[in-house]
Formats: sequence, structure tokens, C-alpha cells
Amino acid sequence: DTGVSQNPRHKITKRGQNVTFRCDPISEHNRLYWYRQTLGQGPEFLTYFQNEAQLEKSRLLSDRFSAERPKGSFSTLEIQRTEQGDSAMYLCASQGDNQPQHFGDGTRLSIL
Amino acid sequence: AQTVTQSQPEMSVQEAETVTLSCTYDTSESDYYLFWYKQPPSRQMILVIRQEAYKQQNATENRFSVNFQKAAKSFSLKISDSQLGDAAMYFCAYRRAQGGSEKLVFGKGMKLTVNP
Repeated sequence: DTGVSQNPRHKITKRGQNVTFRCDPISEHNRLYWYRQTLGQGPEFLTYFQNEAQLEKSRLLSDRFSAERPKGSFSTLEIQRTEQGDSAMYLCASQGDNQPQHFGDGTRLSIL
Repeated sequence: AQTVTQSQPEMSVQEAETVTLSCTYDTSESDYYLFWYKQPPSRQMILVIRQEAYKQQNATENRFSVNFQKAAKSFSLKISDSQLGDAAMYFCAYRRAQGGSEKLVFGKGMKLTVNP
């Protein structure tokens, strides 16, 4: 069990650029979640995959956000035309059946 | 919609002492799970303890225990014999037991400082 891995750890980009984050879950976990955490707040749910199917999306996930999990293994979260308000920590978590969620270290996004 | 409230933004405790972190939640569901997660500075979120709502017995994990009051919708965490390594942000979280995703709903968190 190598844990949930997220890359990159930090991303600094200019407003208007596109960014993509990657999450590698624990290998036997079929569920994968993305959360966003802003300063002084708890994580907020963004989206959920069961295997390769994206089954739920939060209203927080605007049209500029897209997530994929093409083979039911790793997942990517892309933000297009980034805005200042997108600055946050993006957390990925994976979960097996009847198990709690295990979190990665997160990707901290800073928009200049 | 479910909500989780942590009304104390910060607390401090002396090393070796006991501290209690409070959490209340709101839900219309009868079956659900409650969690306490710990997030040390610049490190990943770690599960501290989990409670199933259908269980009357309070969960315990070594120095960590909960006081689950279902009728009052209260879920507090007690840390006994506090250690320097317990210093972190602590988040209370709720999850539905059945139906839909098993997404977590978090409170705003509470910063715990442990003084030597």
C-alpha cells in the first residue's frame, strides 16, 4: 500500500492558463473523489468516480473544470482558463468497499 | 443538505493533558457515518476515528475516543494524554450510509496547539 499519490505538489500559473492535476489512488480502490480546500475551510466535494464512471459532480464544478478516470485507475482534474478564485488545495481521496477514504497530499494551486 | 459545524476555530492543550473537540451536524438521515480527520501542517489528511450512527457504543482508538449523542446530533472527540504530534487541524466529517456517492461533508476545522 503506497497510499494515494498526487502530482504535482505545487502548481503556480498565470490567470487564464490551463492546468491539469493527476491522482493515483490506492490500487485496489474502486472509488475516487476530488475535493477542494481553501484557506481556513474544510475540504468541499467536487466529483466522484466509481471505477471509470463519473457518477456525481458538485455545483462547485463549473464548466471550466473537467475530470476523467479513463481506465478506472488514475484520475486527472483539468481547470481551463484559470481564475484567481481557483487558488486552493485540490485533494484526491480513494476508497475501497466498506472502507474509509484515504487522502493524498494534495496539489496546491496558486494563480498569479 | 447535510451540514457539519465546528464552532471552535482554535484550542490549545498542555502536553499530557486531555482536550475535547466539539462537532455538531444536521441531517435527516437515520443511518450515516461520522469521522474525525487530522491534517498536520503541509501533510495529508489522516483518519483518526470513525463512528457508525447505528452503533450506540462510542468508538475508541487508543488515546482517541468520541462522545456520540445521536439525538443531540453531537460528535465530540476526546484526546487523552496529548502529545506534541497531536498538533494539527482537526476536521469533523459526515457521510451518508447508503445511496449515491459516499462523499464526505466536512466542518471548517479546528486548529489544535499542544504546548510542551
